[in-house]
Amino acid sequence: EVQLVQSGAEVKKPGESLKISCKGSGYSFTTYWIAWVRQMPGKGLEWMGIIDPGDSDTRYSPSFQGQISISADKSMTTAYLQWTSLKTSDTAIYYCARRTSGKTYFDLWGRGTLVTVSS
Amino acid sequence: SYVLTQPPSVSVAPGKTARITCGGNNIGSKSVHWHQQKAGQAPVLVIYNDSDRPSGIPERFSGSNSGNTATLTISRVEAGDEADYYCQVWDSRSDHDVFGTGTKVTVL
Repeated sequence: EVQLVQSGAEVKKPGESLKISCKGSGYSFTTYWIAWVRQMPGKGLEWMGIIDPGDSDTRYSPSFQGQISISADKSMTTAYLQWTSLKTSDTAIYYCARRTSGKTYFDLWGRGTLVTVSS
Repeated sequence: SYVLTQPPSVSVAPGKTARITCGGNNIGSKSVHWHQQKAGQAPVLVIYNDSDRPSGIPERFSGSNSGNTATLTISRVEAGDEADYYCQVWDSRSDHDVFGTGTKVTVL
């Protein structure tokens, strides 16, 4: 089955670090870019950035540049989203989504990872 | 940065037609995609490249794009169509993806 499987929910304190994952299966992992999308409670979708797992070419939204790090391990068919110092405002659901190289739409989404940051 | 504007909400009676707009500067020159997000679920692609439907999406879903407005049309609306809908484009100038503000469709 073609799917993106995301890591489980996390509860963290402000200032802590975190790395969440998105594992692709059932397809050629390096044929698709993987994007990360934030959805804050009760709000819309926000594009954070995207990575080409083939060569780790990465783009970041200006809104998130410097706040997050996106990486990928093609041998593990997994993409990652990382924070070094979480804030309470990072509380959100984070989705990964794939986009075919050369195309501009996301045709498959992960189920999301809920990150709660609270003191 | 490129901005996509959608109406916050659209209400429609069962069996009628819902039209959701997505406004952007010269959006007609871009490929527009639409994602449906039901309550508590991940988004799902329902229209890509302005008007194409992925496998498994009912023919009741259609799309168009011209000038400064793209439109998602849902014909013969059913209760199960109640969801948030987001338009999405890739902005070649910034090499970034952009989502619209989202529209909540309520079936009366």
